[in-house]
Amino acid sequence: EDKVVQSPLSLVVHEGDTVTLNCSYEVTNFRSLLWYKQEKKAPTFLFMLTSSGIEKKSGRLSSILDKKELFSILNITATQTGDSAVYLCAPVEYNNNDMRFGAGTRLTVKP
Amino acid sequence: DVKVTQSSRYLVKRTGEKVFLECVQDMDHENMFWYRQDPGLGLRLIYFSYDVKMKEKGDIPEGYSVSREKKERFSLILESASTNQTSMYLCASKGRSYSNQPQHFGDGTRLSIL
Repeated sequence: EDKVVQSPLSLVVHEGDTVTLNCSYEVTNFRSLLWYKQEKKAPTFLFMLTSSGIEKKSGRLSSILDKKELFSILNITATQTGDSAVYLCAPVEYNNNDMRFGAGTRLTVKP
Repeated sequence: DVKVTQSSRYLVKRTGEKVFLECVQDMDHENMFWYRQDPGLGLRLIYFSYDVKMKEKGDIPEGYSVSREKKERFSLILESASTNQTSMYLCASKGRSYSNQPQHFGDGTRLSIL
């Protein structure tokens, strides 16, 4: 059975800290991996990763994929209170029209 | 920008009632999805649809049905609501089938069954 495991499930840090969120996956026909950020409402799309070792970057957020070891990490540097959210990852498969999400990591950034 | 609109932000219903959750997208997307989100369990796929009148079961379809009579609208139906269906329900849409495109989500409906 396909699996998506995110760790840690919950994380509390202070502003300015750097955090690393993990996503490991086991899917049959891996195509890409998506990261989303969910504050109080709709999850919003952050990154799509398709190739190993190529970092995607957006401001203080960056993400990288390791297709050999079947995981991805999302880094956030110099965290701010506005980074507080649930971060979700989901692998996308070839020949599969739906997605399975991990349980998410709840990040809380304290002032 | 893609807009996915869920008809209610909060909803309270009674056990045994028939409940309709509505979702509309404005980007002519082929695919629409219904998830429920519970603490510690993440997003679990209930049903999805890849075309008008077409539907596929997700991981937890029991107790739910769906309707897609028009391309832009995807309804989730709880035939006889039960307390274990109290949850946050999220609708999403995606453009082309089997594409690499990300899903776009609505703001969710927090449903309480009393």
